[in-house]
Amino acid sequence: GQQVMQIPQYQHVQEGEDFTTYCNSSTTLSNIQWYKQRPGGHPVFLIQLVKSGEVKKQKRLTFQFGEAKKNSSLHITATQTTDVGTYFCAGLSAGGTSYGKLTFGQGTILTVHP
Amino acid sequence: GAGVSQSPSNKVTEKGKDVELRCDPISGHTALYWYRQSLGQGLEFLIYFQGNSAPDKSGLPSDRFSAERTGGSVSTLTIQRTQQEDSAVYLCASSYRWGEAFFGQGTRLTVV
Repeated sequence: GQQVMQIPQYQHVQEGEDFTTYCNSSTTLSNIQWYKQRPGGHPVFLIQLVKSGEVKKQKRLTFQFGEAKKNSSLHITATQTTDVGTYFCAGLSAGGTSYGKLTFGQGTILTVHP
Repeated sequence: GAGVSQSPSNKVTEKGKDVELRCDPISGHTALYWYRQSLGQGLEFLIYFQGNSAPDKSGLPSDRFSAERTGGSVSTLTIQRTQQEDSAVYLCASSYRWGEAFFGQGTRLTVV
């Protein structure tokens, strides 16, 4: 079945440093979504990318979708302590027996030291 | 309701007992997911419902786990003969077709 791999598993940064997490799918995706889970909370939707090569920005966050629609990245510029949490990518399958199913990566746990 | 509702929020049960976890998705949402999350870990997929299609049960860890979705709305996850390794937070999420997933607050299950 479809697999979505996410790296790194953990990332510790000093406040003000940049952060990037990468996501790779074993199959072509219809779209990719990104979620953030604050400590003690539940995952919350951040953004969805649909088009090949798409780039979207939300303030200090930049999201990219690869040309082949099999990989994606989330980059945070100048991290702040409020960025702490786990970032998940989730790929929507483009076909197969579980059409439309979201498959989550393992997540990247971001720690920001003040 | 305004969001995905899960009940109970916390459940402590004795080893060997059966438990039922409930999820009320957002009205009109066609897709419903169950995930399990242990402390500091990622989301472990359990089961996926989409409309009237047969559910994707490929993530259920054993035959002690089952789930149903009645009338395309409320879902119940049942764990029979609970074991200590079943202790985790069980998260439910729903979405409209292939849109963003909305998560409930989760049920924290503790098996003692």
